Amino acid sequence: GAVVSQHPSRVICKSGTSVKIECRSLDFQATTMFWYRQFPKQSLMLMATSNEGSKATYEQGVEKDKFLINHASLTLSTLTVTSAHPEDSSFYICSASFGGRRSSNSPLHFGNGTRLTVT
Amino acid sequence: KNEVEQSPQNLTAQEGEFITINCSYSVGISALHWLQQHPGGGIVSLFMLSSGKKKHGRLIATINIQEKHSSLHITASHPRDSAVYICAVLNYGGSQGNLIFGKGTKLSVKP
Repeated sequence: GAVVSQHPSRVICKSGTSVKIECRSLDFQATTMFWYRQFPKQSLMLMATSNEGSKATYEQGVEKDKFLINHASLTLSTLTVTSAHPEDSSFYICSASFGGRRSSNSPLHFGNGTRLTVT
Repeated sequence: KNEVEQSPQNLTAQEGEFITINCSYSVGISALHWLQQHPGGGIVSLFMLSSGKKKHGRLIATINIQEKHSSLHITASHPRDSAVYICAVLNYGGSQGNLIFGKGTKLSVKP
């Protein structure tokens, strides 16, 4: 069964509103979760690394004030797209691993993704 | 040139055929992932490998570190194997989720 649950799977919102996406690790504690974005026919791109109890680490070119990440517990990270614009329409997906941030030996478990459409 | 290149971009096969998807990369890596993305978008991790070969059911993944190349093989392909297969590498010294993704290979297996 799925070890990472992402919600919602699909959301349509109006321009200017904010949208929150949740990523939960089931059956394990994830000190670190990762948020990716995928535009149509493009590769996945890492947006930010979400660290439990501390600030997220954003990749170059990703606006931290626009994409708010909160990792309040060991099983939940949220991504809030603030003041959404049509260009924010994309597929957002999270992942988590058992091994924590520096463990390259643990496989990644992905959520099922959220397709955001901003009208 | 992308750091992770996959070939082919699209692949159509008949049920039962042996399938190979290739991945070449240009950076030093500590691990390589093969992922499967279904039409709805969900991603499943198939393999994570740093050397040699791994097998799981009808799937086989190999990697040649010296040649910076990996292959994913599917034996006795089935229509349910239809998906996008993505190669992703973990840059040497990078954090776990800081993967560099290929653009994917869209596989369609016809009955």
